[in-house]
Amino acid sequence: NAGVTQTPKFRILKIGQSMTLQCTQDMNHNYMYWYRQDPGMGLKLIYYSVGAGITDKGEVPNGYNVSRSTTEDFPLRLELAAPSQTSVYFCASSKQGAYEQYFGPGTRLTVT
Amino acid sequence: AQSVTQLDSQVPVFEEAPVELRCNYSSSVSVYLFWYVQYPNQGLQLLLKYLSGSTLVKGINGFEAEFNKSQTSFHLRKPSVHISDTAEYFCAVSRTGRDDKIIFGKGTRLHILP
Repeated sequence: NAGVTQTPKFRILKIGQSMTLQCTQDMNHNYMYWYRQDPGMGLKLIYYSVGAGITDKGEVPNGYNVSRSTTEDFPLRLELAAPSQTSVYFCASSKQGAYEQYFGPGTRLTVT
Repeated sequence: AQSVTQLDSQVPVFEEAPVELRCNYSSSVSVYLFWYVQYPNQGLQLLLKYLSGSTLVKGINGFEAEFNKSQTSFHLRKPSVHISDTAEYFCAVSRTGRDDKIIFGKGTRLHILP
């Protein structure tokens, strides 16, 4: 099992550019999550999904979009990158919502 | 709604000394509680969890935590730390039963001094 994989590991974007952060899990988990981590601020939930075709907003959804067409994949889309989106992004999955979450290695994004 | 407070943003401790990382939560309903660890440049991984039963929970790498309902706390302890315990530790809470989300604290960075 690879667990949760994320690509790319690092990315530098210019203001206004778009990109998609990829997330894939091979554990057949229904629940998937996107977080951003900023220094001293812990993890903030961006979007989450409880199954294929179902997504919902988290605490900080503005500037992001998601889709969940399969159980395995949960991509995060940034449409118009802004410096405030400079952060480390983590994808996670779990068998049940309130139980143990498995995290990917993260994507470090810089917007300049 | 649930919330969690980690009282210390950084904790320095000498190698082989004991350590306690503090966590308090707020909730009007029953909760599950978790501690996650993040080693440098990695994702988070579960250290231990309290779902029900014994209030003393043992986790990986010699860590343990005690659920105290009256004080709404879930402090993490280790009797003797090693340099490899250098990491950031996150306390987290969710409602019992069916819930979709876990709420994370802001983290405590553990510095092990030689």
